[in-house]
Amino acid sequence: DVKVTQSSRYLVKRTGEKVFLECVQDMDHENMFWYRQDPGLGLRLIYFSYDVKMKEKGDIPEGYSVSREKKERFSLILESASTNQTSMYLCASSLWGQANYGYTFGSGTRLTVV
Amino acid sequence: KQEVTQIPAALSVPEGENLVLNCSFTDSAIYNLQWFRQDPGKGLTSLLLIQSSQREQTSGRLNASLDKSSGRSTLYIAASQPGDSATYLCAVTDSGGGADGLTFGKGTHLIIQP
Repeated sequence: DVKVTQSSRYLVKRTGEKVFLECVQDMDHENMFWYRQDPGLGLRLIYFSYDVKMKEKGDIPEGYSVSREKKERFSLILESASTNQTSMYLCASSLWGQANYGYTFGSGTRLTVV
Repeated sequence: KQEVTQIPAALSVPEGENLVLNCSFTDSAIYNLQWFRQDPGKGLTSLLLIQSSQREQTSGRLNASLDKSSGRSTLYIAASQPGDSATYLCAVTDSGGGADGLTFGKGTHLIIQP
């Protein structure tokens, strides 16, 4: 089974801290994604990457950056955490151009910024 | 821009009933459509994926159909059980290899009463 692993299930950080959320997949997928999920707003795409060192902005990239130095790892960085970044963060991966494969998601990181 | 709508937003039914969850999307040029299940505080589990050229997919008590031309999909759950209680999310990948991320509906929150 494809596995997408997010390093932390729960995180509590202080306002202004630099926060790193890590995601690793073990099936050699080209595409990786970061979403946040909020009540009433659903899942929104923050950033995605279709190759090592490549990154593309999603719908809500402000306040975030990403890093993809290796194919299997995609990191989401909150440069200076703020309370409005308290959310559930979900990482996903997919194979390029394979209509019969879908997206695989990690178990999520619940981030609280105080 | 693609928009995905799920109806109803919430549903509560007695155990044993057959039920239908609805999903509609505004742009029919999709690559594929995926149904997910999400338990409270957890990540997303893929249930079924329908490629744009397919009409339906089945897995156990679940059946998903796709009518691309009308922009609709349904998830049929047969003989519902309390363990089916969860939020069900519909998501589409727009044409182009799936590298641009999924567009999600806001989900149907399903409760199966014992």
